[in-house]
Amino acid sequence: NAGVTQTPKFQVLKTGQSMTLQCAQDMNHNSMYWYRQDPGMGLRLIYYSASEGTTDKGEVPNGYNVSRLNKREFSLRLESAAPSQTSVYFCASRPRWAQGASYEQYFGPGTRLTVT
Amino acid sequence: RKEVEQDPGPFNVPEGATVAFNCTYSNSASQSFFWYRQDCRKEPKLLMSVYSSGNEDGRFTAQLNRASQYISLLIRDSKLSDSATYLCVVNMVSSSGYALNFGKGTSLLVTP
Repeated sequence: NAGVTQTPKFQVLKTGQSMTLQCAQDMNHNSMYWYRQDPGMGLRLIYYSASEGTTDKGEVPNGYNVSRLNKREFSLRLESAAPSQTSVYFCASRPRWAQGASYEQYFGPGTRLTVT
Repeated sequence: RKEVEQDPGPFNVPEGATVAFNCTYSNSASQSFFWYRQDCRKEPKLLMSVYSSGNEDGRFTAQLNRASQYISLLIRDSKLSDSATYLCVVNMVSSSGYALNFGKGTSLLVTP
């Protein structure tokens, strides 16, 4: 199993450009997440998808859109990139939550995005 | 107020030392708890889950105090390879689903 994969690993954009970050998991997980991580800020949730066909906003959704393409894939789109979106972006997945369970979240290797 | 708070450190300790990290969480509805480890420029990875009765995995011991909403991680006999950032993570269930809340992390540097 590859686990959670993300593409690209690195990207440099100019202000105003658009791009889509891709994420896929092969663990048959129901839930998928997008986070950004900035120095001193920790991991912040952008959007998540509790199950195929649903998406919800997290803590910092402004400037982003997501698509849960199927159970395996969850993409993050920046329509008009801004320097404030320079960050490391992590995708994660997790099995369906169940009462009493303690399921960990698995992360992809991250995408390092710089917006100039 | 952030839902999960940790001392950011850094904690600089010599090899062989014992070091403890603390974490507090604000939401009493939180249901499960984890410690993750993150190496520099890498993704976070699960170190251990934290159970109500406390649990141990080799040199690592995790404790949970629900009454005080407090979680701890103890590392005994520190190794150079333990140098990393340790993230306290709390799972919360709400009407809209569930989410993991991450602390900002505590940085540990183990020196020779």
